Amino acid sequence: DAKTTQPPSMDCAEGRAANLPCNHSTISGNEYVYWYRQIHSQGPQYIIHGLKNNETNEMASLIITEDRKSSTLILPHATLRDTAVYYCIVRVANYGGSQGNLIFGKGTKLSVKP
Amino acid sequence: GAGVSQSPSNKVTEKGKDVELRCDPISGHTALYWYRQSLGQGLEFLIYFQGNSAPDKSGLPSDRFSAERTGGSVSTLTIQRTQQEDSAVYLCASSFGGGGGGVSSYNEQFFGPGTRLTVL
Repeated sequence: DAKTTQPPSMDCAEGRAANLPCNHSTISGNEYVYWYRQIHSQGPQYIIHGLKNNETNEMASLIITEDRKSSTLILPHATLRDTAVYYCIVRVANYGGSQGNLIFGKGTKLSVKP
Repeated sequence: GAGVSQSPSNKVTEKGKDVELRCDPISGHTALYWYRQSLGQGLEFLIYFQGNSAPDKSGLPSDRFSAERTGGSVSTLTIQRTQQEDSAVYLCASSFGGGGGGVSSYNEQFFGPGTRLTVL
């Protein structure tokens, strides 16, 4: 799987949008971009994924650049409960065996402040 | 419905003892993964099950680590002769898929709360 690069930490004011960047310059054509987050003392939680089109769900939006070398996860109205480590992961779409496991980097520690 | 559950939530053991960690995946999920997370570190893949078979054991750090899955459901991770460096949170995840062949929709992994293992 391609490597990803994320800033180690970010702050965001409560109620404002949190924009978390991720670089994946070596991503392959058949690799998706996935985002998970891990709130303190909990297991990781899936947020969203995409291939090349922008995606939105009830939790967040994912903006992928046209060349697919970077993406941004957007939490439109961050709350204190969004404080967590956010992981950007790239992985092939069709998987089996070892390709199914997720390769986590160090992620971005997002701190939402009142 | 119920999510992935793990037991015990916390385990403290003495160096050299064996421990067993249990994972109950979401019903119907055929794929099961074990990861571990050492203090301040990211998640490290250990082993993957598709049904009762483990096609990928490449992440197991040593032969003291083993895992099995029975009935396509519950999985047990066993660590023999525990060492202090085994101290970590052990996380289990499950998903619908994992089979190969063709482009498939992404099968989200659902994680359990983890077992915090402390080896004294």
